[in-house]
Amino acid sequence: AQSVTQPDIHITVSEGASLELRCNYSYGATPYLFWYVQSPGQGLQLLLKYFSGDTLVQGIKGFEAEFKRSQSSFNLRKPSVHWSDAAEYFCAVGPLGSSNTGKLIFGQGTTLQVKP
Amino acid sequence: GAGVSQSPSNKVTEKGKDVELRCDPISGHTALYWYRQRLGQGLEFLIYFQGNSAPDKSGLPSDRFSAERTGESVSTLTIQRTQQEDSAVYLCASSLFGKASSYNSPLHFGNGTRLTVT
Repeated sequence: AQSVTQPDIHITVSEGASLELRCNYSYGATPYLFWYVQSPGQGLQLLLKYFSGDTLVQGIKGFEAEFKRSQSSFNLRKPSVHWSDAAEYFCAVGPLGSSNTGKLIFGQGTTLQVKP
Repeated sequence: GAGVSQSPSNKVTEKGKDVELRCDPISGHTALYWYRQRLGQGLEFLIYFQGNSAPDKSGLPSDRFSAERTGESVSTLTIQRTQQEDSAVYLCASSLFGKASSYNSPLHFGNGTRLTVT
């Protein structure tokens, strides 16, 4: 079955430190992969996406993610975290089934706390 | 409007009552999705509308759940005879297109409706 796993429920980093959020997926074909961020009191916002081509993708707010087929991973990284990055981060995979809709499977989320 | 709007933002209801949640998508977005987010869990797909096509209801957890959409505008998600396990944040999202070939049109999420069933 298709699934997305985010192994870390909570991560705390110091402001200015580097960040890596893990995402592993199980999917029968080359997936479309996404990272979304949910800031307190706000809706989910797309950070970046991978469809094909270059396995290192750049997103908004200085985030990047690398698709590693051999490891079935799509980890999110940022070289220097800012206090405003504190939020919940969701990895997602799609499409599902043969209908090629925009349905996505989401991971459980990782809550990022940033220490001053 | 500027974004996806959901109402109410919070809803507390008694077990057994019916509730109706509303979603106003971004104008011009043909695809609309409902997701459920239970505490400590990821988003769970519920239902998908694309233009005038029959909706994809494959994610609805039971026949107590139903949703409608008027054309390419407002959608309502109805939960009948609510149960405590229905407590969650219900998120609506819209996008310009729903097909994989148009993944350059990402999902735009509303802020959700937090439903609490007592």
